[in-house]
Amino acid sequence: EVQLVESGGTLVQPGGSLRLSCAASGFTFRSYDMSWVRQAPGKGPEWVSAISRSGNTPFYADSVKGRFTISRDNSKGTLYLQMSGLRAEDTAIYYCARRGDSTSWYFYYFMDVWGKGTTVTVSS
Amino acid sequence: EIVLTQSPGTLSLSPGERATLSCRASRTVANDYLAWYQQKPGQAPRLLIFAASSRATGIPDRFSGSGSGTDFRLIISRLEPEDFAVYYCQQYGSPWTFGPGTKVELK
Repeated sequence: EVQLVESGGTLVQPGGSLRLSCAASGFTFRSYDMSWVRQAPGKGPEWVSAISRSGNTPFYADSVKGRFTISRDNSKGTLYLQMSGLRAEDTAIYYCARRGDSTSWYFYYFMDVWGKGTTVTVSS
Repeated sequence: EIVLTQSPGTLSLSPGERATLSCRASRTVANDYLAWYQQKPGQAPRLLIFAASSRATGIPDRFSGSGSGTDFRLIISRLEPEDFAVYYCQQYGSPWTFGPGTKVELK
């Protein structure tokens, strides 16, 4: 079964740091570009960051650029999101998601597999 | 960035009825790269439609997508009880953006 399982979400104070993980199983992780998408309470999803299958090309939304770092370990089948300088507006459920069209040359993509998410709350 | 607007905000319908959801982009979506997702409470978004009109694997044919350029639609031909949920459009022709969602609720 194709599966993504996020972990690492918790309550953190403003200005704090956190690392989220996403463990992949049931597919060849190294063959897929991956993304982090977040969803604040009562809001639509917001794309946060993406990384190429090799890990050489990270990409960030302006709202997190310079504060968040995406990475992956293909040998472990795991995606990461290192978050620092956290703000109240970063409070959300964070999902990892897989590229849906693995053979496409196009940089952007739809997401066909999502994890259940991990909750990050930034509050004092 | 492309801003997506969805309408209506809420759609109140009964099982068996037809649902028409709209997604409008602030400028042309490249290659009509627009997707639709369904989300139920406490769950992750689920892919329904990609490239404006292609159904994802396992999605029933009562779900259909159409449109191009800046105007897109998701149609659910006959609502089943499990279809009551929130639906989001997403464009991926340029840096990803999502719409605010349309809630399809039981009338």
